[in-house]
Amino acid sequence: DAKTTQPNSMESNEEEPVHLPCNHSTISGTDYIHWYRQLPSQGPEYVIHGLTSNVNNRMASLAIAEDRKSSTLILHRATLRDAAVYYCILRIYNQGGKLIFGQGTELSVKP
Amino acid sequence: EPEVTQTPSHQVTQMGQEVILRCVPISNHLYFYWYRQILGQKVEFLVSFYNNEISEKSEIFDDQFSVERPDGSNFTLKIRSTKLEDSAMYFCASSDPLGAVETEAFFGQGTRLTVV
Repeated sequence: DAKTTQPNSMESNEEEPVHLPCNHSTISGTDYIHWYRQLPSQGPEYVIHGLTSNVNNRMASLAIAEDRKSSTLILHRATLRDAAVYYCILRIYNQGGKLIFGQGTELSVKP
Repeated sequence: EPEVTQTPSHQVTQMGQEVILRCVPISNHLYFYWYRQILGQKVEFLVSFYNNEISEKSEIFDDQFSVERPDGSNFTLKIRSTKLEDSAMYFCASSDPLGAVETEAFFGQGTRLTVV
């Protein structure tokens, strides 16, 4: 299974931007980069995904390195409700779309 | 917004009993998944299901587990003879027909299974 590497934890202040890094040096050309988050006591929730180009949606932005070996999830203004575990996952083309979750990055947001 | 619904939210069962966890995926989705999360651990993939058959399963998904889509709306996970170590939160997910990889997966809120 394709592997991603993320810091175990990060801290942010409320209303400030947060940059969550992810390394995926073994990514192949057809693998999509997906980000999910899991709030306490809830199911995983989709955040954003991309293939090669940077992506924006209402929740976040995804910056993908030119060589695709790393990416960064950007929360533009962190709120207390963004405190969660964030997972960077490679979705493999010929593996039926399964998501292999790592340990993720636990983001805490201070008021 | 469409959502994946799971029932029950919490199930307590005796060791050795059979349990069926139920999920109603989003209506036009064609890819279905079960995951589990043991308390304090990471989310683990169990099985993916497409076109009325299992497309992939993990080592966890042994002969004690089975999945079924008995009608056009429900997707079930059956554990034939539960063990204490099956106690976990079980999540159902679905993805739309445009593609399993190119689109997001929607997760339900989970069923907490407690085996006593």
